[in-house]
Amino acid sequence: SQQGEEDPQALSIQEGENATMNCSYKTSINNLQWYRQNSGRGLVHLILIRSNEREKHSGRLRVTLDTSKKSSSLLITASRAADTASYFCATGLGYQKVTFGTGTKLQVIP
Amino acid sequence: NAGVTQTPKFQVLKTGQSMTLQCAQDMNHNSMYWYRQDPGMGLRLIYYSASEGTTDKGEVPNGYNVSRLNKREFSLRLESAAPSQTSVYFCASSDPGFNYGYTFGSGTRLTVV
Repeated sequence: SQQGEEDPQALSIQEGENATMNCSYKTSINNLQWYRQNSGRGLVHLILIRSNEREKHSGRLRVTLDTSKKSSSLLITASRAADTASYFCATGLGYQKVTFGTGTKLQVIP
Repeated sequence: NAGVTQTPKFQVLKTGQSMTLQCAQDMNHNSMYWYRQDPGMGLRLIYYSASEGTTDKGEVPNGYNVSRLNKREFSLRLESAAPSQTSVYFCASSDPGFNYGYTFGSGTRLTVV
């Protein structure tokens, strides 16, 4: 069963634009993570935000977490063609049984 | 380079055959995991090992067995492969404080015919 669900399923933007992806989940969590997966490759950890945090930044990435709405968003600013990938949110109460969503497929057009 | 190494990268099995997927990490992580990824399903946890000597079932353990050989190695065995086990398998590990999420291997693409 999926805990986190990403929205939209697919997103196509021009290089230089911002990309926003959302993740909703159903039960209580103490951490939420975002991962990137390039085609045919493994997942790469982007950022982890804990339930007592509301916003976190890493380079061009900004993640927000609203535990009252059980939702998170990932913003990629000034997108590049190299950002083309699938993005997954993952949620968990601890770290042993983290549950992944089905992903947002982002295409950045040069 | 430090990380998680999976072997093999590709494998084709006939129904009923067995095989073991190997995984090793050199980051001194305590916890290791096996996930499968299917189109439209995201990643689903098969088994995990919180520490050396322990293993626990995840969401989809049926048809699989695991062995935590030592702190570095965590293998996944298919005793009698079925077409439903056609998937991409990922091994991952995590640091004790879970400060950096999971580190994933590059995956094993398995086809059962």
